[in-house]
Amino acid sequence: GNSVTQMEGPVTLSEEAFLTINCTYTATGYPSLFWYVQYPGEGLQLLLKATKADDKGSNKGFEATYRKETTSFHLEKGSVQVSDSAVYFCALSPGYSSASKIIFGSGTRLSIRP
Amino acid sequence: NAGVTQTPKFRVLKTGQSMTLLCAQDMNHEYMYWYRQDPGMGLRLIHYSVGEGTTAKGEVPDGYNVSRLKKQNFLLGLESAAPSQTSVYFCASTDLDRFERGEPGELFFGEGSRLTVL
Repeated sequence: GNSVTQMEGPVTLSEEAFLTINCTYTATGYPSLFWYVQYPGEGLQLLLKATKADDKGSNKGFEATYRKETTSFHLEKGSVQVSDSAVYFCALSPGYSSASKIIFGSGTRLSIRP
Repeated sequence: NAGVTQTPKFRVLKTGQSMTLLCAQDMNHEYMYWYRQDPGMGLRLIHYSVGEGTTAKGEVPDGYNVSRLKKQNFLLGLESAAPSQTSVYFCASTDLDRFERGEPGELFFGEGSRLTVL
């Protein structure tokens, strides 16, 4: 079946450090891949997405590339800020249309020290 | 813009009590979902709806019931609460057009409802 595996947190970095949060997936067909972010006290919101192999999603300085050969969608940012402190979720949506098949990873908590 | 609104935001129940969580969205979305979020387990789908008057079971439906009498509202009910239902509950919605454009997975979430069952 389909699944998403994220690196376990929490991840603590200093401001301006380089960030990588690993995400790998298992899926049949051609899934779409997403990163959602959850700021303290808020619901999840879409950060970026990629819908086919080799696509790069980007937003707010974050990037992730859809790597079919390694079944990965790692989240990166070159210089993190305190305001990036949040929980990050990798998610997968299967290549076929289905309202119920969106799968989320377990989330990675990121804390940035000033 | 209100987006997706959940009420209540916090609730404490005793084992065996009942309650209903309300989700309201003002984006005219067809699809609505209820998830629960537990530490280390991410989001798990409880029930979902693809339109007014329809509901379907997700990954962890036991102990919950839902109703979608109006397109904008999706209610989640606990008939007899148990401590295992202590969690943060999130409602989400999306529109049919996104699916038809091949963009599934772009969900809009409420702020969550924290439920504690003693």
